[in-house]
Amino acid sequence: GNSVTQMEGPVTLSEEAFLTINCTYTATGYPSLFWYVQYPGEGLQLLLKATKADDKGSNKGFEATYRKETTSFHLEKGSVQVSDSAVYFCALSDPASGTYKYIFGTGTRLKVLA
Amino acid sequence: SQTIHQWPATLVQPVGSPLSLECTVEGTSNPNLYWYRQAAGRGLQLLFYSVGIGQISSEVPQNLSASRPQDRQFILSSKKLLLSDSGFYLCASRPGGRIGFGYEQYFGPGTRLTVT
Repeated sequence: GNSVTQMEGPVTLSEEAFLTINCTYTATGYPSLFWYVQYPGEGLQLLLKATKADDKGSNKGFEATYRKETTSFHLEKGSVQVSDSAVYFCALSDPASGTYKYIFGTGTRLKVLA
Repeated sequence: SQTIHQWPATLVQPVGSPLSLECTVEGTSNPNLYWYRQAAGRGLQLLFYSVGIGQISSEVPQNLSASRPQDRQFILSSKKLLLSDSGFYLCASRPGGRIGFGYEQYFGPGTRLTVT
């Protein structure tokens, strides 16, 4: 079945440090991939997405590239800010599964220290 | 884009009491709707999803149920709450119709339920 695996958190960084949050997936078809962000006490917001191999999604300085050969969609940011502190979820949607379901990773908590 | 409304925002209920959480969607028609639960510090658990009025798929057998009485209204219910029902409940929506690429889900602000 389809699955998403994220690196365990929490990830603690100093302001302006480089961020990588790893995400790998398994899917039967050609899934669309997403990164969502959740700030404390709020719902999830879409951060970026990619729908085919080698696509790069980007938003607010965050980037992730759809790597079919390594089945990965790692999230990166060159210089994090305290306001980036949140929980980040990797997710996939696989039309080949024949359902409308989304598969989410367990989430990675990021703490950025001033 | 879509806007998802959920209420109440917070709820404290005793064990054994009933539950009704409501979700409504603006900005789209015939959406696919989802209920998720997020336990403290944990990931998302899909509870139910619906592709149309009266059409509910259950993902996890438990004492919760869902209904979709109108196109853009999704309700989560329970007749008798358990302590384990505590959590953060999220409603989500995505464009309806055929299964397709690239459609992201939009999430509501969530309802925090504490069962005491």
